[in-house]
Formats: sequence, C-alpha cells, structure tokens
Amino acid sequence: NAGVTQTPKFQVLKTGQSMTLQCAQDMNHNSMYWYRQDPGMGLRLIYYSASEGTTDKGEVPNGYNVSRLNKREFSLRLESAAPSQTSVYFCASSASTDTQYFGPGTRLTVL
Amino acid sequence: EDQVTQSPEALRLQEGESSSLNCSYTVSGLRGLFWYRQDPGKGPEFLFTLYSAGEEKEKERLKATLTKKESFLHITAPKPEDSATYLCAVQGLGSNYKLTFGKGTLLTVNP
Repeated sequence: NAGVTQTPKFQVLKTGQSMTLQCAQDMNHNSMYWYRQDPGMGLRLIYYSASEGTTDKGEVPNGYNVSRLNKREFSLRLESAAPSQTSVYFCASSASTDTQYFGPGTRLTVL
Repeated sequence: EDQVTQSPEALRLQEGESSSLNCSYTVSGLRGLFWYRQDPGKGPEFLFTLYSAGEEKEKERLKATLTKKESFLHITAPKPEDSATYLCAVQGLGSNYKLTFGKGTLLTVNP
C-alpha cells in the first residue's frame, strides 16, 4: 500500500496564477483532509471531507477550494495564488474520526 | 477553543540520555490525543493515540502517557535516529474531524 500520495512535490507559482494540488489514498478511508504547515505554527486545517460527496471548511479556508472527486481522491485548488499561501501542504486521511495518516507534502512557493 | 502547548521547543540529548517531552492541552471533552513524528521534508508519521487519563502506549524506545491536562512522550536511551520533530494533537468531543496541533518539539540526539 502506498498510503497517502500527493502531487506535485514542489511547485513555484507567480502571484495570481492558479493550480490544483492532488491527493489520493489507497486505505479505503472515508475521510480526507488538507492542512498547511508554516514555520512557528502548528498544522492548520484548511478543508476536510468527512465522506465522499461532502466537504467542510476548516480553520483557514479563505483562498482555497476543494473537490472530493471520489472516495480515493481529494484535490485542493488555489484560484489566484498569493504570497501568503507559500507553505507546505499536507493531505491526510482517516477511517472515520480517528487517527489521521499524512502524505509526504507539497512545498509551494508563491512569488 | 482547543489549545495545545508543547515544551520544550527544542531538546538536545546525548545518545542514551533519557528524557521526556510535554504536551499540555485544554479541550472541552477529549476524544483523543495523538503523537506524530516528523522528519525534515517529510509528512507527519503516526506514533500513538491515547483516549483516556491513565492510558499508556509503548513503541520501541518511546512511551506515551496521558493525564487530564497533559501528555508526556518518554524517550528511553535515545539513538541518533530518534532525532525528529515530535507533534502532539488533540481532538475534542465537539470536533468530529478537526485536530488541533501543537507547534512541536525538535529533538536532536547526538552520538
């Protein structure tokens, strides 16, 4: 099992460009999450999907949109990137409300 | 609002020198407390979940304990490969899916 996979691993954008971060899990988990991690701050939840067909805002949703494509895949879209969105983005999944398993991350720089 | 404070921010040990990391939390009803290990440039790796005060879990040189206000991660006779950032997170009863993370403790074990 690959667990949680994320693409791309690295990305550099210019202000105003858009992009989609991809996440997939092969653990048959119902719930999926997107976090961002910034220096000096803990991981913060952007959006989550409790089950296929549902999505909800987390702590820092502004500037982002998500799509739960199917049970395996959960994407995060930046419509108009801003320097404040420079961060490391992690996708995670869980069977229900229990332990979350994380992917390797996407390192995004917005110039 | 759930809160997590980890201390110390950084800890440097000699190989074989046992110590403990602290995670203090406030939450209105604890659903679970989670410990993760994060290596540089990688995603958080799950270590333990604790659910109730008095519970303990062990894995190799690590033992996690839980009280009503804090959790400790005890590291016995650490090795250089235990060097990493250790993250603590809580999930409250009112937060079905949201984890609140601390900022982490950076552990360095010197040979």
